[in-house]
Amino acid sequence: GENVEQHPSTLSVQEGDSAVIKCTYSDSASNYFPWYKQELGKRPQLIIDIRSNVGEKKDQRIAVTLNKTAKHFSLHITETQPEDSAVYFCAARNSGYSTLTFGKGTMLLVSP
Amino acid sequence: DAGITQSPRHKVTETGTPVTLRCHQTENHRYMYWYRQDPGHGLRLIHYSYGVKDTDKGEVSDGYSVSRSKTEDFLLTLESATSSQTSVYFCAISDRTGELFFGEGSRLTVL
Repeated sequence: GENVEQHPSTLSVQEGDSAVIKCTYSDSASNYFPWYKQELGKRPQLIIDIRSNVGEKKDQRIAVTLNKTAKHFSLHITETQPEDSAVYFCAARNSGYSTLTFGKGTMLLVSP
Repeated sequence: DAGITQSPRHKVTETGTPVTLRCHQTENHRYMYWYRQDPGHGLRLIHYSYGVKDTDKGEVSDGYSVSRSKTEDFLLTLESATSSQTSVYFCAISDRTGELFFGEGSRLTVL
């Protein structure tokens, strides 16, 4: 089955800095890669996703890049703000299945 | 937020007792999932359903069973709870786009 590795497990940045979280996956047939944000005590919520027919997608301060050859994808957050502090999860899904496999999460702390 | 509710939201029980968690959706989505979340392990899939009476195992299914007798309800049962099943349980739903919508979670403590 699919295996998703996520790094780093924790990331501390100063407000205004950029943050990058990286994930690798094992199944070359995977074609859907979402990112979820989970604030303390809340449910995970989708913030951005990318499909294998594109290499990059942006939404305001958030961007995701995908390198299918290397089987890795990354989340980029620019101009970080304290409200970006949360746990971020990457995930991958094979088109032949209906389930997502998640990475173990990255705790992002943005200090004012 | 998608119409998905979990009950109970909090439960404390003793080792060896049966426990059932309920997930209810009002979105008429085909797919429903149960995940558990533990520190250092992220979100791990327990069981999922792709239709009424159609279910399959996830990566951590041992000790758990599920049932889906109607589209809107997906039940997760721990036949005999153990301390290793102390966790936060999330139900999720999705349509064909694949985006998951999570419930608010159910915190289970097994003493």
